[in-house]
Amino acid sequence: AQSVTQLGSHVSVSEGALVLLRCNYSSSVPPYLFWYVQYPNQGLQLLLKYTSAATLVKGINGFEAEFKKSETSFHLTKPSAHMSDAAEYFCAVSDSGGYQKVTFGIGTKLQVIP
Amino acid sequence: DGGITQSPKYLFRKEGQNVTLSCEQNLNHDAMYWYRQDPGQGLRLIYYSQIVNDFQKGDIAEGYSVSREKKESFPLTVTSAQKNPTAFYLCASSIVGENGYTFGSGTRLTVV
Repeated sequence: AQSVTQLGSHVSVSEGALVLLRCNYSSSVPPYLFWYVQYPNQGLQLLLKYTSAATLVKGINGFEAEFKKSETSFHLTKPSAHMSDAAEYFCAVSDSGGYQKVTFGIGTKLQVIP
Repeated sequence: DGGITQSPKYLFRKEGQNVTLSCEQNLNHDAMYWYRQDPGQGLRLIYYSQIVNDFQKGDIAEGYSVSREKKESFPLTVTSAQKNPTAFYLCASSIVGENGYTFGSGTRLTVV
C-alpha cells in the first residue's frame, strides 16, 4: 500500500525566508508524487508533480521539489516566502498504473510571519 | 473556461435527512472522485468512477451513495446512515492514465 508522511502539521517562516515542507513516501512500485496547495474554503490546486522524468521538479509560484529515491523523500521548497504563500500544503502519492488512486498526506499549514 | 463546479458551497442538513452534493465538470475527464476533508485527517476517498455507469467504493463509502449517469456529472448523496457527516467535501476529476487531479472548490456540509 502506498502512503505519504508529512512531517510537521504547522510550519512558520518569516517573510523572505526559505520554505521547506517535508514529505516522505512509501510505495511498492515507482511512485508518482504530487504537491497541492489549498487556500481556506477552497479546493486543492496542483503545485507540481513528479512522474519519473527529472528528479528536480519546478512548479507554480516559485516552488520546487526534489525526488530522492534513496531517502524516499519529496520535500517542497521555495527560496523566499511571500505572505501569499500562507496556505495548507498536501503531499500525495499514486502508483503508475492506469487508474491513479491518489493517497494524500494530512497536510502542513504554512504560516508566513511579516 | 473548463473546470469543476461544486454546488452548493455551503449546505445545512437536519439530522435524519439525505442531501445531495452536485459535481459537474466540463473538462471531458473520464474519472471523477469524491473526497471528504476533516481537520488533521487530510483527504479521504469516498467513491470514484472511471467511466459512465460504473463506480467503486473508496476508503470511507459507508453512509454515502453516488451515481454516474453522464460523463460530466458525479453527484454524491450523504444519507442519514452517515454518522458524522459534517465535513468539507471535495470533488475531483482526471484523465484516466494521466496523473494529477483537478479539484472543485468544495461544499461545506453542516448537520444542525
